[in-house]
Amino acid sequence: DAGVIQSPRHEVTEMGQEVTLRCKLISGHNSLFWYRQTMMRGLELLIYFNNNVPIDDSGMPEDRFSAKMPNASFSTLKIQPSEPRDSAVYFCASRRGGTNYEQYFGPGTRLTVT
Amino acid sequence: GESVGLHLPTLSVQEGDNSIINCAYSNSASDYFIWYKQESGKGPQFIIDIRSNMDKRQGQRVTVLLNKTVKHLSLQIAATQPGDSAVYFCAGSSPSGAGSYQLTFGKGTKLSVIP
Repeated sequence: DAGVIQSPRHEVTEMGQEVTLRCKLISGHNSLFWYRQTMMRGLELLIYFNNNVPIDDSGMPEDRFSAKMPNASFSTLKIQPSEPRDSAVYFCASRRGGTNYEQYFGPGTRLTVT
Repeated sequence: GESVGLHLPTLSVQEGDNSIINCAYSNSASDYFIWYKQESGKGPQFIIDIRSNMDKRQGQRVTVLLNKTVKHLSLQIAATQPGDSAVYFCAGSSPSGAGSYQLTFGKGTKLSVIP
């Protein structure tokens, strides 16, 4: 199994530009979590989905952030427009859905907004 | 609200010694706990988990202890090796509605192994 796949691994962009981060779930998993990690705030849950449906998006910082699951195995996290304070490592994680099991994390996307 | 925190942000251990990393949680509804290891430049990696109906669980060189009375759990690593150097996170899982569960992560403890 390839595990959770994220792309790109690194993204450098200028303030005001649109950024799209991508995530492919582990086959057979149907819960998807987006996290942001910074030195100051640690790991923060942004949003999670069960069976393609957003369950809790209370962690999304503001309207500039949006996330979608167009199908059962793929998700995107979009930031538009991006700001320097969005610089962080963004992880997605997948899990067997609706149950209390461990989450498997992808390698992360390191985003730098200048 | 829910919070999961660590007592020690950094821990230095001599190679071959045992390591103990501690974690406190606040939400009594948390019924499942996970320890993750994160190496530099990588995502968190699952190490071991424990459910609230247990107070101890052992894996390969790792043991997790859960004390629900004081809302505390610990990760013990036996015979610590240089490859164990990483940041360790505890996470607590609690129901978040609609039959789903959400993890809340602690801030992390950095373990440094001295050769």
